[in-house]
Order: sequence, then structure tokens, then C-alpha cells
Amino acid sequence: SQQGEEDPQALSIQEGENATMNCSYKTSINNLQWYRQNSGRGLVHLILIRSNEREKHSGRLRVTLDTSKKSSSLLITASRAADTASYFCATDTGRRALTFGSGTRLQVQP
Amino acid sequence: DVKVTQSSRYLVKRTGEKVFLECVQDMDHENMFWYRQDPGLGLRLIYFSYDVKMKEKGDIPEGYSVSREKKERFSLILESASTNQTSMYLCASSGYGGGSYNEQFFGPGTRLTVL
Repeated sequence: SQQGEEDPQALSIQEGENATMNCSYKTSINNLQWYRQNSGRGLVHLILIRSNEREKHSGRLRVTLDTSKKSSSLLITASRAADTASYFCATDTGRRALTFGSGTRLQVQP
Repeated sequence: DVKVTQSSRYLVKRTGEKVFLECVQDMDHENMFWYRQDPGLGLRLIYFSYDVKMKEKGDIPEGYSVSREKKERFSLILESASTNQTSMYLCASSGYGGGSYNEQFFGPGTRLTVL
């Protein structure tokens, strides 16, 4: 199975609500990254959190990392219709390449 | 503005054809990657390269080869295309520093259909 597993697979919320996505992984990491993909396009990097960090913010994004539980969460506050996309976590395990999960599809209803 | 470009957005090929997918980055990155993306399976790494002429197999290299003759260009080759290689192909590049990989920059993707 994948190194990174996102949960839930799909999420539908109303504009203005918060969206939370979770990522679990299996092996120790150097860092964990979150990416967004709009339909049919390439991925865009959102945020990187290192293994010695517990929380990081970027605008309306908040990422937490719990290395003891091997899990991370991405919170998008005050969501907008433009946040509709798929969100992927990716882990750097020192393997020379990131390992991506299968993603969470977020639908924000206007 | 940093950029990763891919040679085609859409490509239709016939079974048995040799297919070349080209990727170019302008960020002087050492590392370049090829992924394929299929519904429900996320991104799966095909090959990556950490230097010119250097390459390493990813998780699903069978049926693919790669070439990196120049730092900015990384090519994915399907020696004899098959219908199960119909997919979205994504190229990415990244730097490396501080003992870990930095963010990856992705191209727009090539949607390949093999008939």
C-alpha cells in the first residue's frame, strides 16, 4: 500500500466552512509536503513541514505533523469555491524521491 | 517565473508505437521525475534522475525508459506503447538542500491515449 494515505478520499463542504484532510504514512520521514491539483492539471506545492516541526501556517492553510503517530493534517480555513481541487500529501523518506498518496478530492459548494 | 514544460498536453498513439515525452525545466534543478497518474491510484513514480546521464528506477519502470543528456531536459520513452499505458504523465523537478528534498515543481501533464 502507499506510504502516504489521505483521508477522507472525498470531502464536500460549503463555502466559508473549514476543510480538514489527514495523511498517514508508514516509515520515518525527513519532511512531509502537501500539494494541490486542479482538475486535469499539474500539481502545485502548498507547504512543507520538516520532521522536527509540529505546526506550520501559510495564509489560510495550517499543517500539523505528529511523527509519533506518523500522521499529518491539512486544514483550510474559510474555504472558497476556488479551493475545489485534489490534495495530496507526499513524504521524503531519504529515498531520493517523494512518495505521494492517492489524494483527497475537495469540493467546495458556493 | 519558474517553469516546467511538457512537450504535449494531449497525445494519441497506436499500440506498438514508440512514444517520446519531453520535459524541460528552467530552474537548474539536479533532480527530475516522471510520474503517471491514474484514478484512485494517485501518483506513481516511473523513473527519476538526480544528475545528467544518471537515472534510477521508480516504483513502476516496466515498459518505460528515460534519457537525460542535458540538465534541463528529461525524456520518458515508451518503447512499444500498450493500451495499459494510457494515463496522465506528469514531469517534475526539484532541488535538494539541508539533507532533504525541496518542493517539486510540476509540468501541466500529458494525457496519453494508446489505441
